[in-house]
Amino acid sequence: DAGVTQSPTHLIKTRGQHVTLRCSPISGHKSVSWYQQVLGQGPQFIFQYYEKEERGRGNFPDRFSARQFPNYSSELNVNALLLGDSALYLCASSLSGYNEQFFGPGTRLTVL
Amino acid sequence: GDSVTQMEGPVTLSEEAFLTINCTYTATGYPSLFWYVQYPGEGLQLLLKATKADDKGSNKGFEATYRKETTSFHLEKGSVQVSDSAVYFCALGSRNNDMRFGAGTRLTVKP
Repeated sequence: DAGVTQSPTHLIKTRGQHVTLRCSPISGHKSVSWYQQVLGQGPQFIFQYYEKEERGRGNFPDRFSARQFPNYSSELNVNALLLGDSALYLCASSLSGYNEQFFGPGTRLTVL
Repeated sequence: GDSVTQMEGPVTLSEEAFLTINCTYTATGYPSLFWYVQYPGEGLQLLLKATKADDKGSNKGFEATYRKETTSFHLEKGSVQVSDSAVYFCALGSRNNDMRFGAGTRLTVKP
């Protein structure tokens, strides 16, 4: 079975632009979570979605938004990009959100 | 709030040496505890987990025991290999439906 997939792999944007990152969960998993991992640090929680509803939100500004589609795939949107948004963005899926999470390879975003 | 504190690295060991990476947690209730590993340029892979006190998680020679009395979940391996070189993250499953990660410990194993 395929694992969690994310696209694109790498992305370069300039300050002020917006970006959309995509994630497809493991088949049968209904929950998707997004994390930001800045170089040299552990992942920080951004959002969790379950059955298309936002279930949890981390301490990130409103420039960050997400949604989950009927097929359980998800998008993370970031508006008005700042240099500090440069990071590896990880998507994780789980059966219900209360189980262990399985991570995708990440999207590396560079903001210039 | 819930949090994890893990031993800072980097850690450099010779092949076949014994490994311990310390992890302690602060949480309300009894969270599930996890160790994830991240190889260069990759996402996180679940290494092992424990869901309740005194549980021992194990995988690929790595072990960790959920100690409620010391709020710890230390990672151990009796004999490390070069292929174990990676960054290791301790994490807990928060009651707020997210995972809280430590800062990570970089392990380098030399032949």
